[in-house]
Amino acid sequence: AQSVTQLDSQVPVFEEAPVELRCNYSSSVSVYLFWYVQYPNQGLQLLLKYLSGSTLVKGINGFEAEFNKSQTSFHLRKPSVHISDTAEYFCAVSGAGGGSTLGRLYFGRGTQLTVWP
Amino acid sequence: GAGVSQSPRYKVTKRGQDVALRCDPISGHVSLYWYRQALGQGPEFLTYFNYEAQQDKSGLPNDRFSAERPEGSISTLTIQRTEQRDSAMYRCASSPDRGPNYGYTFGSGTRLTVV
Repeated sequence: AQSVTQLDSQVPVFEEAPVELRCNYSSSVSVYLFWYVQYPNQGLQLLLKYLSGSTLVKGINGFEAEFNKSQTSFHLRKPSVHISDTAEYFCAVSGAGGGSTLGRLYFGRGTQLTVWP
Repeated sequence: GAGVSQSPRYKVTKRGQDVALRCDPISGHVSLYWYRQALGQGPEFLTYFNYEAQQDKSGLPNDRFSAERPEGSISTLTIQRTEQRDSAMYRCASSPDRGPNYGYTFGSGTRLTVV
């Protein structure tokens, strides 16, 4: 099975500052990696995903993440945040092999990003 | 529909009662997933359907929990004899096919409170 650790439960930052949300994963097999965002009273929305190829992945709203296999990390970054980025962010992992568990996501506990004016 | 629809949005029930949570996936989506999210936690997998077949139910916590998707579209998650520890947000997601590369769309969830 896979697991995810999000190292920070809360990240406060001022508007226009850069931000990094950290994510480490554990798996004995190859993985797919994801970041989801949850705005209040809304469903989870996919920000970006890594399936294969380039380790730098760009997503929506100016976010990007880099897959680092040696450090088993998939940190999320944005060079300049806006107040509208305030939300909870979840890192998730899925095993890349086949079988009945294909597509099953394992989520971290989430990081609350709060952007202050 | 345009998105994944879950109903009800909020459900308060007394301990010991049965509840049924509904998920209406995006039209044509083959795969349907149920997750549960406790307060302060990330979503945890419950069960998964491919068409009407329940492919994986290993995440269901005990035999009070069951799910069905009889016609390969709408799914119902049923919790019998509810307990306070069942209080959580229950999330449904659908996908055009198996595998995360197709992308999931999550519904807004059903907030269940057992009193």
